[in-house]
Amino acid sequence: AQKITQTQPGMFVQEKEAVTLDCTYDTSDPSYGLFWYKQPSSGEMIFLIYQGSYDQQNATEGRYSLNFQKARKSANLVISASQLGDSAMYFCAMRYSSASKIIFGSGTRLSIRP
Amino acid sequence: GAGVSQSPRYKVAKRGQDVALRCDPISGHVSLFWYQQALGQGPEFLTYFQNEAQLDKSGLPSDRFFAERPEGSVSTLKIQRTQQEDSAVYLCASSLVIGHSYNEQFFGPGTRLTVL
Repeated sequence: AQKITQTQPGMFVQEKEAVTLDCTYDTSDPSYGLFWYKQPSSGEMIFLIYQGSYDQQNATEGRYSLNFQKARKSANLVISASQLGDSAMYFCAMRYSSASKIIFGSGTRLSIRP
Repeated sequence: GAGVSQSPRYKVAKRGQDVALRCDPISGHVSLFWYQQALGQGPEFLTYFQNEAQLDKSGLPSDRFFAERPEGSVSTLKIQRTQQEDSAVYLCASSLVIGHSYNEQFFGPGTRLTVL
């Protein structure tokens, strides 16, 4: 069965520090995509970064990078130099080629301390 | 519009009432998805349209839930005889292309449904 696991319900980080949000996944499909979304208190899901299962290099988007370890089935999000505006819920998600839908993890609430 | 829009943003219904939630996807987007997000949880898939065709409705929790997209653009999610467990945020997302695992879905702001 396809599954996304986020084991950190909440995290507190000091402003300007780097933070890693954990995500593991389970799928038997060889072709899949991994996503991270940010959901601030306003409720909208904001796309952050994408990693394809066949991509050789880890994805990066500005301050966001995805630490993709295929053998371990992990796709951790790294946020460098955290900012107060990074405080939000973060969801790891997966889409496998045989399906159209995205399945989401339970999320991690990140709080940035000034 | 520039993004996915949903209306209403908030809906309060008495148990047993029918509700209709609207989604306006990004113009030209082929695919449209509905998700249900309970408080404190991640979104869960409800149903998927490719143009006007409903290709996957495996996530609809009961036959009280019905979705349509008759002209391949605007979609409506209807919930009949609402129950308290239907209280959640209903998210709509659209995407431009299909057939690839990379298929960024753009989400709307959601409709928060509260059933009393």
